[in-house]
Amino acid sequence: AQSVTQLGSHVSVSEGALVLLRCNYSSSVPPYLFWYVQYPNQGLQLLLKYTSAATLVKGINGFEAEFKKSETSFHLTKPSAHMSDAAEYFCAVSDTGANSKLTFGKGITLSVRP
Amino acid sequence: NAGVTQTPKFRVLKTGQSMTLLCAQDMNHEYMYWYRQDPGMGLRLIHYSVGEGTTAKGEVPDGYNVSRLKKQNFLLGLESAAPSQTSVYFCASNDRENTGELFFGEGSRLTVL
Repeated sequence: AQSVTQLGSHVSVSEGALVLLRCNYSSSVPPYLFWYVQYPNQGLQLLLKYTSAATLVKGINGFEAEFKKSETSFHLTKPSAHMSDAAEYFCAVSDTGANSKLTFGKGITLSVRP
Repeated sequence: NAGVTQTPKFRVLKTGQSMTLLCAQDMNHEYMYWYRQDPGMGLRLIHYSVGEGTTAKGEVPDGYNVSRLKKQNFLLGLESAAPSQTSVYFCASNDRENTGELFFGEGSRLTVL
């Protein structure tokens, strides 16, 4: 069975600092991997996805993530945090089957200090 | 451009009452899903559907029923609500060409007293 581990439940950074949100996956087949963002009182929206093309994936709002098979990781980064990045971030994994379903991590809340 | 619409957005129930959450999507997606979100638990799949007239159990199906009579609608029912079902419920949809990417509604906050 697939699973996703997001270490920690809360990350706090200063505005302008590097953002690093960690995600490790467990999958028996080559996975598809996703990062979703949830702003307060809203649904989830896709930040970026890895689907076996380039290992470095660029997403919206300056975020990117790198797929590292040897480390079974898909960490999310952004060079310079902005106040508007404050939100909850979810890593998710699915297998490559036609009826594949997403399995979500528990989420990480990102706070940005002025 | 509505996407995925959930109704109602807020509801308060007493233990034992029943209710139905409605999800409607206008993207002609084959697959639809109901998730619940609880603090520290992430999103957990309740039920899903891979096409009109089909439904299947997810990770936490107990206490819920679903129906997909029309392709664009996916209903989630609680026959006898319990306080443990207090949660935020999200509907999502996609099709096989989306390689797993889900499109979410804005959520329905349910409180069971």
